[in-house]
Amino acid sequence: DAGVTQSPTHLIKTRGQHVTLRCSPISGHKSVSWYQQVLGQGPQFIFQYYEKEERGRGNFPDRFSARQFPNYSSELNVNALLLGDSALYLCASSKGTHTEAFFGQGTRLTVV
Amino acid sequence: AQSVTQPDIHITVSEGASLELRCNYSYGATPYLFWYVQSPGQGLQLLLKYFSGDTLVQGIKGFEAEFKRSQSSFNLRKPSVHWSDAAEYFCAVGAHGSSNTGKLIFGQGTTLQVKP
Repeated sequence: DAGVTQSPTHLIKTRGQHVTLRCSPISGHKSVSWYQQVLGQGPQFIFQYYEKEERGRGNFPDRFSARQFPNYSSELNVNALLLGDSALYLCASSKGTHTEAFFGQGTRLTVV
Repeated sequence: AQSVTQPDIHITVSEGASLELRCNYSYGATPYLFWYVQSPGQGLQLLLKYFSGDTLVQGIKGFEAEFKRSQSSFNLRKPSVHWSDAAEYFCAVGAHGSSNTGKLIFGQGTTLQVKP
């Protein structure tokens, strides 16, 4: 069975640009969550989506947005990139909103 | 405030020795608890979880953890460490109940180094 897949695996962007990260959950899972992991720290919660609706939002600026599609895949968008947005962005898939979460390999974003 | 504390930033053990990684949490709601492992540059792999019931839970790769409500702890243990266990370990807590989001709060992580 395929696990959580994220694309791209790496990308480099310039300050002020926009980026879109993509995530495909495990088949049968209806919830997708996004986390940001800065080097040397634990992941920080950004968003959770369930059945295409936002169910939770972390303490991130409005430059961060996300959505979930009818096939339960998800996109994370970040506008007006800052150097501090450089991080590993992790997508987590779960059957429901309060069940165990399975993580993808992440997208390494570098902002220069 | 909701938080997870992993007091040990870095731990070194000899191969074959026992291991205990500490995790303390502060959470108002009834928690559910996880341990994840992360190899360099990789995503997180779920080692084990506690939702309810037996407070001693078994996970993959020979790991176990014990939930102690009175101490707000969920320590991870392994009786004999293998060199392949060297990685970063994260404790995470979430809340039961539909009124809470499904977000997980993670600790800072503990880096495990294994000596030959």
